[in-house]
Amino acid sequence: ELKVEQNPLFLSMQEGKNYTIYCNYSTTSDRLYWYRQDPGKSLESLFVLLSNGAVKQEGRLMASLDTKARLSTLHITAAVHDLSATYFCAVDHRDSNYQLIWGAGTKLIIKP
Amino acid sequence: GAVVSQHPSRVICKSGTSVKIECRSLDFQATTMFWYRQFPKKSLMLMATSNEGSKATYEQGVEKDKFLINHASLTLSTLTVTSAHPEDSSFYICSARDRRWTQYFGPGTRLTVL
Repeated sequence: ELKVEQNPLFLSMQEGKNYTIYCNYSTTSDRLYWYRQDPGKSLESLFVLLSNGAVKQEGRLMASLDTKARLSTLHITAAVHDLSATYFCAVDHRDSNYQLIWGAGTKLIIKP
Repeated sequence: GAVVSQHPSRVICKSGTSVKIECRSLDFQATTMFWYRQFPKKSLMLMATSNEGSKATYEQGVEKDKFLINHASLTLSTLTVTSAHPEDSSFYICSARDRRWTQYFGPGTRLTVL
């Protein structure tokens, strides 16, 4: 059974600092996704990672994938207040008809 | 990117009434759409998979008679919450899957049952 674990679940940090959110999954997956959710809003797609060693960057966010370790990281560089949100990772696999299996989410609060 | 709309974005209703939520894929055809429910401070919970032209597949523990799903066309799926009660209050999010099996999410519907 495909399971996804995120940590930490809650993170409070100061602006300007760097930090990393981790996403572990239990079995082989085809794709790994990172989403952002603001309070009261739906999901915003950030990254889709397909292959081992994949790295994608958008602004202060960088996501990477290690399929051998079954681990993805979302790294935040020099955090700014606007990045405060809840971040979810999810994976899918053809064997589960590409249903998304979700992590619990990481609530990120960035203090000015 | 692909766009998915949901309507209404917010609805308040009295206990015992039924509420219909629409999910539309605006610029692509979606043979499969998904309905999720999200409780406060929790992750998304898949309720059902909606397939165009066939019956929806419900996840374990989701009452199919309470949450009626209809996928009438390749761009429209509806979720009807029948005889709503306060415990049905939640944030409902739909997604539509394109031909590359990528899901695009709607903006969500906040349901409050009084």
